Parts: sequence; structure tokens; C-alpha cells
Amino acid sequence: GQQLNQSPQSMFIQEGEDVSMNCTSSSIFNTWLWYKQDPGEGPVLLIALYKAGELTSNGRLTAQFGITRKDSFLNISASIPSDVGIYFCAGRDGGSQGNLIFGKGTKLSVKP
Amino acid sequence: ETGVTQSPTHLIKTRGQQVTLRCSSQSGHNTVSWYQQALGQGPQFIFQYYREEENGRGNFPPRFSGLQFPNYSSELNVNALELDDSALYLCASSPYATGANEQFFGPGTRLTVL
Repeated sequence: GQQLNQSPQSMFIQEGEDVSMNCTSSSIFNTWLWYKQDPGEGPVLLIALYKAGELTSNGRLTAQFGITRKDSFLNISASIPSDVGIYFCAGRDGGSQGNLIFGKGTKLSVKP
Repeated sequence: ETGVTQSPTHLIKTRGQQVTLRCSSQSGHNTVSWYQQALGQGPQFIFQYYREEENGRGNFPPRFSGLQFPNYSSELNVNALELDDSALYLCASSPYATGANEQFFGPGTRLTVL
């Protein structure tokens, strides 16, 4: 079945640093989504991408839909303590009937 | 605008019991999807409901079943609970069943099976 590889699994960064994480798929997706999940809560949608090569920003967050349609990247600029949490990538292919396939997450910890 | 709500927040059951989890979709959304999230993992798709019918199913056994009501709210039912069913159950709503669309998640129900 389809798999998403998300990396890194975890990272510790200094406040103010930029962060990069990525997701790769074994098959082509036509939608990529990035979510953030805080402890005890559901995932919150950060950015949605629908076209290969698309670059979309949401405040300090920027995500890109890879041109191969098998990968996506999320960058966070000038990290702050509230960026702590788990970031998930999720994708959909054209044949699925609504389900999202999620990566295992990148746990972000920021040193104040 | 009201977001996705789920009830109960937490639940403890024993093996072999049955459980019903509930979800109210975000205003204007007619499609509800259910996911299971084990500790340390990403959410896994269980099934989706659109127009009160199942509209896609993941790799879960038949003892996982669901319903959608005319007001688009939904229930997830799990029979013959097993220890491995312990997880966070997430409901997500979206405005369309197919095509490019975003899914918005509720806070989840934490199920513990003893």
C-alpha cells in the first residue's frame, strides 16, 4: 500500500532558527496537506497544496508541492516556542475516495 | 462558525465490549471521515460518510461500523473491543466528498481498552 516517509522524526532547535521537514511518497499524490497537532488535541490544518510545483505560505510557514508529485516540504522561519508540536504531512491520490494518508510526524521541540 | 466536535472526550472500556463515538461536522460540511491514531503514529483512515452512506473504507475489520445522519453528524461504532483498539479516534469533516479538499479535525476521543 501507499506509504509516506516523513523526516526528520524529531528535531531540537534554537528559538529564531529556521526549520525544514519533508515527506516522500511511494506513489503520486494530487493533494498535499500539512497539519500540526498539539498534545491531547486533533490535527490543525496549516497549509493545503493542490498543484505540482505550488509554493504556499501561511505566516512564517511555507510549503511546497514537489514537481514529481511524490514529495512535499514544509519550512518554518524564525521559530518561536509555540511552534512546538508534531507536524504531519498528509496526501491524497486521484483514485482514493476521500481518505488522507498521513506520515508518522515530525516532533518539533524548541529551546527557549 | 462551529468547528468539529466529538464526544465523549475520554472513554474506558473492557475487552469484548462495544463503544459508540459521536461527531458533529463543521457548519456547511456534508462529509465526515473517521481516523484512528495510535500513540506515536499518524492517523489511519477508517472510513468516510457522504450523504448518509459509506464512501470509502480503509483497512479496518467489519466490527468497525458507522452512521451518518441527515444533519451530517456521524457515529463510529466498534464491536468486540480488543486491546489494540486503544487509540485516539479522530473525526474530520470536509465540504466535499471527492476532489481536492481540506479535512478539518475535531479534538478526538481517547479510547482505552482494558
